[in-house]
Amino acid sequence: GAGVSQSPSNKVTEKGKDVELRCDPISGHTALYWYRQSLGQGLEFLIYFQGNSAPDKSGLPSDRFSAERTGGSVSTLTIQRTQQEDSAVYLCASFEGMDNSPLHFGNGTRLTVT
Amino acid sequence: QKEVEQDPGPLSVPEGAIVSLNCTYSNSAFQYFMWYRQYSRKGPELLMYTYSSGNKEDGRFTAQVDKSSKYISLFIRDSQPSDSATYLCAMSRVTGANSKLTFGKGITLSVRP
Repeated sequence: GAGVSQSPSNKVTEKGKDVELRCDPISGHTALYWYRQSLGQGLEFLIYFQGNSAPDKSGLPSDRFSAERTGGSVSTLTIQRTQQEDSAVYLCASFEGMDNSPLHFGNGTRLTVT
Repeated sequence: QKEVEQDPGPLSVPEGAIVSLNCTYSNSAFQYFMWYRQYSRKGPELLMYTYSSGNKEDGRFTAQVDKSSKYISLFIRDSQPSDSATYLCAMSRVTGANSKLTFGKGITLSVRP
C-alpha cells in the first residue's frame, strides 16, 4: 500500500512569503505528527494530531507556524512570513494507533528560504 | 544539556566491520527506545524497538538499553555498504499514539567496500 506522501518535495521561497506544506498519511492511521529536521539539530517535534484535533502543539516554534488536519486525513502545515531560520526538512509521520507499532515517515519537504 | 545526546560523527568503517552506535539521555522517564535509519533524501524508518533495559537482536543488528546508566547502543555486525545511512536514536515516555519521540541528532555511517 501507499506510504506517507508529502508535497512538495522541495520548496524555495523568499523571506517574508507564506508557505503551505501538505501531508497525506497512510489510510486509516489516526495519529499524525509533524517534525522538523535542521542541519545539525536532529528531528524536532512540532505538533501531533489525533483525528482532527491537536492535543499537543507544544513544538511549534512561533505563532507564524500553524497546522490543521481535515477529515482525519490530510494535514497542512502553514508557515507565515517565512524567515531564513525556517529552512529545514519538514517531515510528517503517521501512526496506526497500536502499541509498539512504528511511526511511518514521509520523505519530507525540503524548505529553503532565501 | 539536551535530553538525548548522540555522537554526530561521521563514522567510516570497512565492509565487514562491527559498528557500535551510542546515545545517552538525561530523562529517566524514558521507557521506550528506538533506532531509526535514514537514507539520503528519505524519511527515517524504524530499525529496532526496545522497551526498558535489555538486549534485542534482529539479524545483524543488536540493540542494548542500560537504563541505570541512561545509555543505549546499536551494534551492526558484518557491516555492508548498504548500511551506509544516518542512524538516529529516539525515545519516549509512553507508547501509543501520544508517544512523542525525542531524537538524537543522528550519526552518518559510511561502510567502505
